[in-house]
Amino acid sequence: EVQLLDSGGGLVQPGGSLRLSCAAPGITFSSHVMHWVRQAPGKGLEWVSAISTRDVTTDYADSVRGRFTISRDNSKNTLYLLMNNLRAEDTAVYYCASSQWLLPPDFWGQGTLVTVSS
Amino acid sequence: DIQMTQSPSSLSASVGDRVTITCRASQGIRNDLGWYQQKPGKAPKRLIYAASSLQSGVPSRFSGSGSETEFTLTISSLQPEDFATYYCLQYNGYPRLTFGGGTKVEIK
Repeated sequence: EVQLLDSGGGLVQPGGSLRLSCAAPGITFSSHVMHWVRQAPGKGLEWVSAISTRDVTTDYADSVRGRFTISRDNSKNTLYLLMNNLRAEDTAVYYCASSQWLLPPDFWGQGTLVTVSS
Repeated sequence: DIQMTQSPSSLSASVGDRVTITCRASQGIRNDLGWYQQKPGKAPKRLIYAASSLQSGVPSRFSGSGSETEFTLTISSLQPEDFATYYCLQYNGYPRLTFGGGTKVEIK
């Protein structure tokens, strides 16, 4: 069974906005900490953001703080990432990932590609 | 912020070889470290958590060790399906995570 399904990626101009979604049909969504992790073309993995189980705590990488907003809707089993003021260097495959408290992510989405270009 | 330095960045090995990958943390992280395998075009897969706990379903040829600032991932006998890129991940600053730079394991 598929645990996480990323969507919402696409081509956007610099300065534009995009909202990613992650549906979680295969996990007990409300009990998992959720993360966004990205991977630029040919590069390594970079943690982007995380949100606690009840939307109380959020954290961001310095590279996206102030531009990206993570949120979740436990009633819809869905995670979001609103990305504003996008830059060329935000071009990457974005993965959502879930983890149990104080453990590293175990389930991952398939990834959604975000391309920032004019 | 905690930095993770992974080495080597790449290696060539043959089927049956013993392979060791190292990760160093910029400060002590207890045993809050995981190891992941990623194949081209695929999401990462968790192999190890808590430095040495084997993820369910992962072959026993994979093992992890270490604590605080020095960690290793060992593949005792490399198999064809093990050719991939491996990443360490620290989660001591939870929920903030930091990945190592990755090690690409290629066929010799």
